[in-house]
Amino acid sequence: DTEVTQTPKHLVMGMTNKKSLKCEQHMGHRAMYWYKQKAKKPPELMFVYSYEKLSINESVPSRFSPECPNSSLLNLHLHALQPEDSALYLCASSSGLAGGEQFFGPGTRLTVL
Amino acid sequence: QKEVEQNSGPLSVPEGAIASLNCTYSDRVSQSFFWYRQYSGKSPELIMSIYSNGDKEDGRFTAQLNKASQYVSLLIRDSQPSDSATYLCAVNMGTGRRALTFGSGTRLQVQP
Repeated sequence: DTEVTQTPKHLVMGMTNKKSLKCEQHMGHRAMYWYKQKAKKPPELMFVYSYEKLSINESVPSRFSPECPNSSLLNLHLHALQPEDSALYLCASSSGLAGGEQFFGPGTRLTVL
Repeated sequence: QKEVEQNSGPLSVPEGAIASLNCTYSDRVSQSFFWYRQYSGKSPELIMSIYSNGDKEDGRFTAQLNKASQYVSLLIRDSQPSDSATYLCAVNMGTGRRALTFGSGTRLQVQP
């Protein structure tokens, strides 16, 4: 089962709202990722968790706060976002071995008003 | 210089033809190479991975890797209209990072 699930599929929020994106995988993977993708651009790495520890933060603004409660779950907490943060947010997972294949979830389409 | 480069296209081929998509990368010690297909509004789907020089075939898809020349390509045989999508080349640079560097993608259009 090479499935990564994400909820919600769509999210509309105001600039003062607090919301969370959720991601889950049951492949036994030990690395999980958050990417942001704007229209007609490639995915842009935000965070990497390896064995439940944050290993990469690509200088993401603090209004994005990742959390990895356990090896199967990954959250992205959103607070005081800007309209330019509107994008497709993608979660991915991989085995954890360097160079391993990454599998993407369906994404959350976020609109910030 | 971009780390992973692809021609943005669109690459237009007739149905039944071979589509050839190319990608070059800058880091000589890169170890892992991937092709993802992304339909409009959807997430990237892994279609091929290749780790060593040469060809790797999977159905209608063939990935080719040449580390000396730092390029990786994807051939799609018997192209179908359903193959019309953006194809993203992704490279795991040889720095131990468990993260991919993506090219900007090539949009493929298969004409019926």
